[in-house]
Amino acid sequence: ETGVTQTPRHLVMGMTNKKSLKCEQHLGHNAMYWYKQSAKKPLELMFVYSLEERVENNSVPSRFSPECPNSSHLFLHLHTLQPEDSALYLCASSQDKGFPGNTIYFGEGSWLTVV
Amino acid sequence: AQSVTQPDIHITVSEGASLELRCNYSYGATPYLFWYVQSPGQGLQLLLKYFSGDTLVQGIKGFEAEFKRSQSSFNLRKPSVHWSDAAEYFCAVVRNNNDMRFGAGTRLTVKP
Repeated sequence: ETGVTQTPRHLVMGMTNKKSLKCEQHLGHNAMYWYKQSAKKPLELMFVYSLEERVENNSVPSRFSPECPNSSHLFLHLHTLQPEDSALYLCASSQDKGFPGNTIYFGEGSWLTVV
Repeated sequence: AQSVTQPDIHITVSEGASLELRCNYSYGATPYLFWYVQSPGQGLQLLLKYFSGDTLVQGIKGFEAEFKRSQSSFNLRKPSVHWSDAAEYFCAVVRNNNDMRFGAGTRLTVKP
């Protein structure tokens, strides 16, 4: 138990569907992240939120839409995805944004399959 | 440009044997370095981290890593591997204050 909870753990969706991934952290952290983990590729940072404000967006396609309603919750809204978007999506949090003082804590991930 | 390289995609060791997983980084200044472990179906768990000071860093689960500036390396070691250590291991480097980059990972298999 890392204090970062992701739901659902597994999701299968069609290319025309709209779904959302949810992340909740119980650590009192101020920064939250979405990472994408594809097979045989390094983890890719998608979005960073600090105090509910998006501070980084690493050229992610608009079919991925993040939302951070408060410092404990982070969503990733998905629509009109492609099969190549199938991956493990990891949510993470840290006390604050920036290093070296912070450690990133990861959730267990949401396995997404786009059919 | 690749910031962190893990040369070994897959390593197999016998239980009780020693382990060394390699990590090389490319960054001019002294980076902040991390090792994470991911068990099957799980998220990433921090094993250890290096910011400054003693170049030999102790982590959880009996792991240690040594920062060698001359070799731009941060290799992970364990003197005696247990079957439960079978997992994927990721080295990560922070290139500036916010940009954390991960290696592609090394999968460890432990033979009985």
